[in-house]
Amino acid sequence: DAGITQSPRHKVTETGTPVTLRCHQTENHRYMYWYRQDPGHGLRLIHYSYGVKDTDKGEVSDGYSVSRSKTEDFLLTLESATSSQTSVYFCAISGYSGNTIYFGEGSWLTVV
Amino acid sequence: QQQVKQSPQSLIVQKGGISIINCAYENTAFDYFPWYQQFPGKGPALLIAIRPDVSEKKEGRFTISFNKSAKQFSLHIMDSQPGDSATYFCAASPENNAGNMLTFGGGTRLMVKP
Repeated sequence: DAGITQSPRHKVTETGTPVTLRCHQTENHRYMYWYRQDPGHGLRLIHYSYGVKDTDKGEVSDGYSVSRSKTEDFLLTLESATSSQTSVYFCAISGYSGNTIYFGEGSWLTVV
Repeated sequence: QQQVKQSPQSLIVQKGGISIINCAYENTAFDYFPWYQQFPGKGPALLIAIRPDVSEKKEGRFTISFNKSAKQFSLHIMDSQPGDSATYFCAASPENNAGNMLTFGGGTRLMVKP
């Protein structure tokens, strides 16, 4: 295992409620990512971080925000969850540019 | 716009057969092409990767073939085993990619029948 812990692993929430997913790494890697996985779309990048308090948008960032106050933690927030955000969310890390990306075990989110 | 197109979406192969998954890309700036393997309930894990300076890379039963002019690459699994049953994703990232951000194909669900 790559030393990545995602929490919660499963969550059911109602439309319009805020949701925060947490990613914790023990590898001291610089880069952290949030991807979502949906059938037929593979994995799509939501946001990524290249250092503490340094974040940027990915391909599907609308409706999501992130924060990274410590090297080891990267939070993904859905300010007002919608049914289209029902998905599996994966956190990933890598040490430096060109290095392998390691994925966490995923967080299953259902918005009803 | 999907920059990496993967086919087929699903594949059934008999034990001992060859599994072939194909990917095509559009962005000529891509220069790193990994394949990830994902088992149910788990996160994707790097299987094998290639850069465009070689046309083929082999690791055990897994081989990547790369055709730069056609902008295509493929994964071949020789002597496929039931334990290879998983979802496979191709991916690509451009050179000078400061964040090592990958663009993924849509995935192929492989089932190897005993």
